[in-house]
Amino acid sequence: DAGVIQSPRHEVTEMGQEVTLRCKPISGHNSLFWYRQTMMRGLELLIYFNNNVPIDDSGMPEDRFSAKMPNASFSTLKIQPSEPRDSAVYFCASREDYASTDTQYFGPGTRLTVL
Amino acid sequence: GDSVTQMEGPVTLSEEAFLTINCTYTATGYPSLFWYVQYPGEGLQLLLKATKADDKGSNKGFEATYRKETTSFHLEKGSVQVSDSAVYFCALRVREGAAGNKLTFGGGTRVLVKP
Repeated sequence: DAGVIQSPRHEVTEMGQEVTLRCKPISGHNSLFWYRQTMMRGLELLIYFNNNVPIDDSGMPEDRFSAKMPNASFSTLKIQPSEPRDSAVYFCASREDYASTDTQYFGPGTRLTVL
Repeated sequence: GDSVTQMEGPVTLSEEAFLTINCTYTATGYPSLFWYVQYPGEGLQLLLKATKADDKGSNKGFEATYRKETTSFHLEKGSVQVSDSAVYFCALRVREGAAGNKLTFGGGTRVLVKP
């Protein structure tokens, strides 16, 4: 399996622009997580989907952030408008519920820089 | 709420030294406990886990024992290598209910092993 796929790997944009991050979970996994990692705040869970339904979005920082999962093989995280403080590495992770492995598999991350 | 506290880094060691990273937790219910490792430029990956009291997780020479009486899950390795340089995250997962899929992470401990 190719693992969790994220695109783009790097994104540089200017303040005010819309940014869309993409994630393809591992086939057969039914939970999907979006995280943000910064030096100041560490690793933060933004939102969690189960069977394509958002279960917990309490970590989404504000209305500028939105996430969708239109089907089991694709999710997006959108920031509109972007701000310099959104600069971070964004990780997507997926998990198969009730599997004996009992772990989340992380993608390589998208490094976002907002100028 | 659930929380994980781990020692702050960075931890700097010489090759073949003994490594300990302390981790304590607070949780409602009976959590599963995990250690994840993040190598430079990569996403997190599961290092080891334990699902009940007195269980010992082990992998790649690392060990951690689930201590319910002290609510701890300290990570140890007897002889570190330069390739063990990474950030280590302690995490817990509450088993019951929809929230059981969500991991609560500690702040991470950066480990640097020098030759």
